[in-house]
Amino acid sequence: QSALTQPASVSGSPGQSITISCTGTSSDVGGYNYVSWYQQHPDKAPKLLIYDVSKRPSGVSNRFSGSKSGNTVSLTISGLQAEDEADYYCCSYAGINTFYVFGTGTKVTVL
Amino acid sequence: EVQLVESGGALVKPGGSLRLSCAASEFTFTNAYMSWVRQAPGKGLEWLGRIKSKTDGGTTDDAAPVKGRFTISRDDSKNMLYLQMNSLKTEDTAVYYCTIGPGGGKGYIDVWGKGTTVTVSS
Repeated sequence: QSALTQPASVSGSPGQSITISCTGTSSDVGGYNYVSWYQQHPDKAPKLLIYDVSKRPSGVSNRFSGSKSGNTVSLTISGLQAEDEADYYCCSYAGINTFYVFGTGTKVTVL
Repeated sequence: EVQLVESGGALVKPGGSLRLSCAASEFTFTNAYMSWVRQAPGKGLEWLGRIKSKTDGGTTDDAAPVKGRFTISRDDSKNMLYLQMNSLKTEDTAVYYCTIGPGGGKGYIDVWGKGTTVTVSS
């Protein structure tokens, strides 16, 4: 099972909106709504941002939102802030043989 | 505060074995599905496997790359999770995270430990 495909990097200026895509197949992203997103700052553990495609855990800013279309899920960060500079990973359930697969990761740079 | 604290990371030679531990606190460990995730230096996240709650059978689901070499276990009496790693390879060098989930009705990881570092080198 290959990792889900994410762009290596995305950048934006403060206040702008950016979108990170995560592309899989009908066996993972396209087949289930168990897709989550994680933010990871350097030398820190990942943090849950979005679960079940578009739900936000308590305490996560509403500037983060998720969506899905076919085999691709997207994470949108609106009102980009300096603290949003981090790595972002998607993760999807992939069935009873593979179970869970992460995306390749995207480095977000705030210009 | 819910907490996961990994330990046991070390420098080990190729072919060697190592057992990682994860101490859990401030949540009902017996009801939790627990996983291990790793991250090689400069690389992305890789889910290694999980162990279900005893209520749901306590069985494990393992990722193909480590199946047969890595074994996940739990001791609910001690609120501890373990990862036994055998026949270690240089490519197993990574930070290893203990997590709550996914599973047990939720398809995501909502709590991560800080990680423990394993280096496999001669």
